[in-house]
Amino acid sequence: GNSVTQMEGPVTLSEEAFLTINCTYTATGYPSLFWYVQYPGEGLQLLLKATKADDKGSNKGFEATYRKETTSFHLEKGSVQVSDSAVYFCALSDRRIQGAQKLVFGQGTRLTINP
Amino acid sequence: EAGVAQSPRYKIIEKRQSVAFWCNPISGHATLYWYQQILGQGPKLLIQFQNNGVVDDSQLPKDRFSAERLKGVDSTLKIQPAKLEDSAVYLCASRRRSGTYEQYFGPGTRLTVT
Repeated sequence: GNSVTQMEGPVTLSEEAFLTINCTYTATGYPSLFWYVQYPGEGLQLLLKATKADDKGSNKGFEATYRKETTSFHLEKGSVQVSDSAVYFCALSDRRIQGAQKLVFGQGTRLTINP
Repeated sequence: EAGVAQSPRYKIIEKRQSVAFWCNPISGHATLYWYQQILGQGPKLLIQFQNNGVVDDSQLPKDRFSAERLKGVDSTLKIQPAKLEDSAVYLCASRRRSGTYEQYFGPGTRLTVT
């Protein structure tokens, strides 16, 4: 079945460092890909998405490119801030059931940014 | 607009007891989801409703879990009887309509079964 694998955490960086969180997927067909973020004490929020191969999703300085050839959707940010500390989830949409949009999540990567 | 509301935020019960969680989606959102998030794992879909009909409940342990969405708005998820392995955060999410991608998540209910 469909699955998502993220790099293991936790990840600890200093402010202004470059961030990469790896995400690879296994899917039949052509899923849409997402990054969700969960700040402490809050629900998951959509950070960015890409719906087809070579699409680049971007938001709040974060970027991720849908790479069909490597089945990857790595999250990057050029200069992280303390406020980026959160848990990041990679996910894909599974539309095996018509009309459904079922999300399959990776295990999450906890990111801590030190000042 | 108001976000997805869930209650309670925390619940502690003993095994074999029953528990219920409530979710109020964003107004006008036709699709509602319940996810289970075990510590250290990503959320796993339990059940999806479209209005008040079930679209997907393939991963719902139906011998102990049940869910309903009366009138296509609020939803409740029940566990009876609870087991230790049910300890998790239960997340509710809603989506406006087919063809849109974003699911909006509530803050979750953290269940501890002792």
